[in-house]
Amino acid sequence: NAGVTQTPKFRVLKTGQSMTLLCAQDMNHEYMYWYRQDPGMGLRLIHYSVGEGTTAKGEVPDGYNVSRLKKQNFLLGLESAAPSQTSVYFCASSYRPSGTQHTGELFFGEGSRLTVL
Amino acid sequence: AQSVAQPEDQVNVAEGNPLTVKCTYSVSGNPYLFWYVQYPNRGLQFLLKYITGDNLVKGSYGFEAEFNKSQTSFHLKKPSALVSDSALYFCAVRAYTGFQKLVFGTGTRLLVSP
Repeated sequence: NAGVTQTPKFRVLKTGQSMTLLCAQDMNHEYMYWYRQDPGMGLRLIHYSVGEGTTAKGEVPDGYNVSRLKKQNFLLGLESAAPSQTSVYFCASSYRPSGTQHTGELFFGEGSRLTVL
Repeated sequence: AQSVAQPEDQVNVAEGNPLTVKCTYSVSGNPYLFWYVQYPNRGLQFLLKYITGDNLVKGSYGFEAEFNKSQTSFHLKKPSALVSDSALYFCAVRAYTGFQKLVFGTGTRLLVSP
């Protein structure tokens, strides 16, 4: 049982290049999320999905796009990378919150470190 | 809107001493509160949560947290710190009703010295 798997773990891009981060979960979770972690700023939500075929914007969505074509996968795309997007990206998933049965705690991947030069 | 404050960037404690990592929250209605831990170059791991009921919640690795509604706090505690507890700790909050995103604090680095 792998949990949440992110690929790639490391990537270096030049300004203007594009790339896609892949997140896969094997826990049959309905909800999936992409966060970025920057020093002194904690985790900030980029985009999230409450089910297959649906996506929504989080706190910092600009410059990113996402897709959830399959329930187990959540892709994060950078169309034209900028140095400000240098960060560590975390994917997470959770059950649909439903009172006390599922309280929405997140299960995280190991992170993808992206550097944009 | 929900928010979480972790007032200390870093907490230093000697091994064997009790530790406290502070968290205060703001949310409309009843909160769900969580603590996560992040070890170097790893993802966040769930430690414990408060849903309802007993204000003292016990979690993984000997950690516990105390929910205080009047002070809107959810401080993380451990009676006796270990060097291996050194990590980054995040508090998070979610409103009870409906779909509300989990909002994280900025994190507190815990350093336990031998």
